[in-house]
Amino acid sequence: DAKTTQPNSMESNEEEPVHLPCNHSTISGTDYIHWYRQLPSQGPEYVIHGLTSNVNNRMASLAIAEDRKSSTLILHRATLRDAAVYYCILRDQAGTALIFGKGTTLSVSS
Amino acid sequence: GAVVSQHPSRVICKSGTSVKIECRSLDFQATTMFWYRQFPKQSLMLMATSNEGSKATYEQGVEKDKFLINHASLTLSTLTVTSAHPEDSSFYICSAPTGSINEKLFFGSGTQLSVL
Repeated sequence: DAKTTQPNSMESNEEEPVHLPCNHSTISGTDYIHWYRQLPSQGPEYVIHGLTSNVNNRMASLAIAEDRKSSTLILHRATLRDAAVYYCILRDQAGTALIFGKGTTLSVSS
Repeated sequence: GAVVSQHPSRVICKSGTSVKIECRSLDFQATTMFWYRQFPKQSLMLMATSNEGSKATYEQGVEKDKFLINHASLTLSTLTVTSAHPEDSSFYICSAPTGSINEKLFFGSGTQLSVL
């Protein structure tokens, strides 16, 4: 499986935008880029996913580099409830499990 | 949207006993479900893939006789931790795909197992 690289931790202030980077230099043409987050003592929660084009939803935006070797999850206005571990994961086949890396621990200060 | 329900959320048991964890897909059919284990301060580790009507597929290093998986229907998978020991104490999480490559996966809320 193609691997991803994320910073171990990031900090943000409330109400400010947060850009969480992810490198995936060995991504294949069929890999979807998924982002999930996990709040303490909970199961992971879907955030967003995309293939080639940038994606927006209620929670976040996903900016995908033109060569697809990196992507950035954008939280437009961080809140305290956004403090979580964010995982960037590649998935290339339907029905396969997500393989989690270490993710980025996001801290949000008021 | 699709929901995955996992029970119990927390269980405490004595060493040597068995514990069953249930994972249900509430509004969709899941021919496949995934079971993960997560130790404190660590990431999720895939344990096994549960297949409806057939044997589960276990990841390398996971004891199939200790972690029994049953996927008896299209909406229910169970994980039984047999003869639990303190080292089995962990956060167990299930997940179910809806079958499309362009899909989001849904996860249960997790089960915190503490073996005394």
